[in-house]
Amino acid sequence: DAKTTQPTSMDCAEGRAANLPCNHSTISGNEYVYWYRQIHSQGPQYIIHGLKNNETNEMASLIITEDRKSSTLILPHATLRDTAVYYCIVRVRTTSGTYKYIFGTGTRLKVLA
Amino acid sequence: DAGVIQSPRHEVTEMGQEVTLRCKPISGHDYLFWYRQTMMRGLELLIYFNNNVPIDDSGMPEDRFSAKMPNASFSTLKIQPSEPRDSAVYFCASSFGPEAFFGQGTRLTVV
Repeated sequence: DAKTTQPTSMDCAEGRAANLPCNHSTISGNEYVYWYRQIHSQGPQYIIHGLKNNETNEMASLIITEDRKSSTLILPHATLRDTAVYYCIVRVRTTSGTYKYIFGTGTRLKVLA
Repeated sequence: DAGVIQSPRHEVTEMGQEVTLRCKPISGHDYLFWYRQTMMRGLELLIYFNNNVPIDDSGMPEDRFSAKMPNASFSTLKIQPSEPRDSAVYFCASSFGPEAFFGQGTRLTVV
């Protein structure tokens, strides 16, 4: 039971910014939003995560709305190697105090030359 | 660190046989997750461990599936007996803190 919804697929021109949206309207106050990507059939790769504030690292930026019900992953200058499936995940805190990652269906991003 | 190491990378077996998938997490990590990926169902969490203790196995599809973590550096996922519908890519991941690291997966084909 994934807590996120994402568009099935998106295209982006090489060199342009790729903006990938995600809805997580049922997120709880202490649950983090994570983004992973999976290139071809490799293992998923961590990109970025955040709680309330916008975050940026060398790979991407994460913009979280003030009500935390949605977020956007931004790849500032997409390259062909960014073609992948991008997963928006809410890291769920369980009643036992531990954490687990529940993946949804993801967005298949295709970067076009 | 070499990352999360899974073996074998590929496994082809006949229906009814026992299959054991292996995972070596990153040293020092206290969480270990087993996922299964198929075209139809995507990435499913099967079971996860915290400090070598199984916490949640609600994702394990049937009693044919079992997982163990005898120590902090090793985990197994066993399917006995295997069936063609178990064909999938099985991923192991480990974490300590915010980021989970995934292995390269084991592609299982049951014929």
